[in-house]
Amino acid sequence: AQSVAQPEDQVNVAEGNPLTVKCTYSVSGNPYLFWYVQYPNRGLQFLLKYITGDNLVKGSYGFEAEFNKSQTSFHLKKPSALVSDSALYFCAVRANRDDKIIFGKGTRLHILP
Amino acid sequence: SAVISQKPSRDICQRGTSLTIQCQVDSQVTMMFWYRQQPGQSLTLIATANQGSEATYESGFVIDKFPISRPNLTFSTLTVSNMSPEDSSIYLCSGRFGGANEKLFFGSGTQLSVL
Repeated sequence: AQSVAQPEDQVNVAEGNPLTVKCTYSVSGNPYLFWYVQYPNRGLQFLLKYITGDNLVKGSYGFEAEFNKSQTSFHLKKPSALVSDSALYFCAVRANRDDKIIFGKGTRLHILP
Repeated sequence: SAVISQKPSRDICQRGTSLTIQCQVDSQVTMMFWYRQQPGQSLTLIATANQGSEATYESGFVIDKFPISRPNLTFSTLTVSNMSPEDSSIYLCSGRFGGANEKLFFGSGTQLSVL
């Protein structure tokens, strides 16, 4: 069965510093990987996805993520954090033979001014 | 992209009653799903809403408790039946265009509190 782990409940980063939100996955076959962001009292918004191709995926709001097959990771990154990036971030995975997307437990990102 | 409207946005309900949540998409989506997000936890898939047929439920969720309808490609409802405080959660509707490698769009959610 597929699963996704976000080992950090919360990440604190100073504004202007680079940020990383970690995600590892377990899936049979090739994974389809996603990152979503949830702002307070709002639904989830799509940031980026990896299906095939270049291991570095660029997404919305300056975010990017690196797919690492040997480490089964898909960490979310941004070179310079903004206070407005503070939100709840979810990593998600889908196995290529399954229709369901499974979400990690989420990581709360705090960007300190 | 798609806009998913979900209502009500929040409700406070009494134990033993039922609440129906509506989800309207502004364009035809291939798939629609219902998720639950309990306080401090991740999203858990409840079921896949199938057009014109019975929903496909995940382990731990049953039709009698969470009946789902999807009469057409743009509309679905989820009913939380015979509610208890343990049902207090955020319920999220989502939709997807095209194939399974496409992204999900989400509604803004329904925050349900059961007293």
